[in-house]
Amino acid sequence: AQSVTQPDIHITVSEGASLELRCNYSYGATPYLFWYVQSPGQGLQLLLKYFSGDTLVQGIKGFEAEFKRSQSSFNLRKPSVHWSDAAEYFCAVQRGTGGGNKLTFGTGTQLKVEL
Amino acid sequence: GAVVSQHPSRVICKSGTSVKIECRSLDFQATTMFWYRQFPKQSLMLMATSNEGSKATYEQGVEKDKFLINHASLTLSTLTVTSAHPEDSSFYICSAAPSGANTQYFGPGTRLTVL
Repeated sequence: AQSVTQPDIHITVSEGASLELRCNYSYGATPYLFWYVQSPGQGLQLLLKYFSGDTLVQGIKGFEAEFKRSQSSFNLRKPSVHWSDAAEYFCAVQRGTGGGNKLTFGTGTQLKVEL
Repeated sequence: GAVVSQHPSRVICKSGTSVKIECRSLDFQATTMFWYRQFPKQSLMLMATSNEGSKATYEQGVEKDKFLINHASLTLSTLTVTSAHPEDSSFYICSAAPSGANTQYFGPGTRLTVL
């Protein structure tokens, strides 16, 4: 069965500082990986996804993520955090390429940005 | 594009009543829709997969007679919480995958409070 681990429950960074959110997955086949962001009381917004090809993926809002098969990781990064980035971030793995496949989510990382 | 709406955004009901939540794909057709439940400060847990024109597939531990799902058209799925109790209070989120696409798009969620 597939699973996703986000080791950091909470992270606090200063505005303008760099950010890295960790994500490790467990899946027997080729993983299809996603990062979503959720603001309080809202649904999820897709930041970026990895299916194949270049292992460094660019997303919206200046985020990027790097797929490292050898480490079973898909960490999310941003070089300079803005106060509006404060939110909950979820890493997810999808079984199969079709959107009709189930997503398995990590437990999420709450990002707080200090001004 | 790829907008998913939910209605209502917030509902308060008395214990023992039934509540219906709608999930609509506004600008695409979705053969498959998903229903998730999210408790405060926790991740999304998949409840069921809804396929247009057929019975929903429920995850282990989800009571199908309590959480009725209907996917009557390619743009609408409904979740009915029957005989709601306070423990059913939660944030319910739906997602939909455009036919042939590889990504799910999420609705804004519905906050259910059962008194």
